[in-house]
Amino acid sequence: AQSVTQPDIHITVSEGASLELRCNYSYGATPYLFWYVQSPGQGLQLLLKYFSGDTLVQGIKGFEAEFKRSQSSFNLRKPSVHWSDAAEYFCAGSGGTSYGKLTFGQGTILTVHP
Amino acid sequence: NAGVTQTPKFQVLKTGQSMTLQCAQDMNHEYMSWYRQDPGMGLRLIHYSVGAGITDQGEVPNGYNVSRSTTEDFPLRLLSAAPSQTSVYFCASSRLTADNGYTFGSGTRLTVV
Repeated sequence: AQSVTQPDIHITVSEGASLELRCNYSYGATPYLFWYVQSPGQGLQLLLKYFSGDTLVQGIKGFEAEFKRSQSSFNLRKPSVHWSDAAEYFCAGSGGTSYGKLTFGQGTILTVHP
Repeated sequence: NAGVTQTPKFQVLKTGQSMTLQCAQDMNHEYMSWYRQDPGMGLRLIHYSVGAGITDQGEVPNGYNVSRSTTEDFPLRLLSAAPSQTSVYFCASSRLTADNGYTFGSGTRLTVV
């Protein structure tokens, strides 16, 4: 079955530290992959997306993600975290028989310490 | 402003009541979907549609009905509300190829008492 997994439920980092949020996928073919961010009480904002081509994808707010087929991963990274990055992050994928159906991971809550 | 509009933003229902959550998009997207968000479970797909007159079930369809009479609108109906349907509901739309990503509405917070 097609699935997206985020192994880390909660991550805490200090402001200015680097960040990596993990995402693993299980699809028969190369899926479309997305990272979304959600602040408390808000909707979902698209950070970046991968469809094909360059495996390093740049997004908004200084985020990037790398698609690694050999590891079935699409990890999100940021070199230096700001306090405003505290939010919940969702990895999502679509593909296989229906590129319209978006499957989400469970989400990772990011806490940023000053 | 172009995007996905959901109404209402908040709703409290009594067990057994029915209601309709509204979703409209003005981007001429073929694909529309409904998700529910519960703590620790991410967003789970309830129903989706690939065009007017075409709908299909997602991961958690029980207790919900949908219809797609126009490209713009995709209402979600709760037939007989239950406390287990207390959740935040999101509507999303995209082109069928999904190459522009998905646009989400701002959500409806539903409480069933």
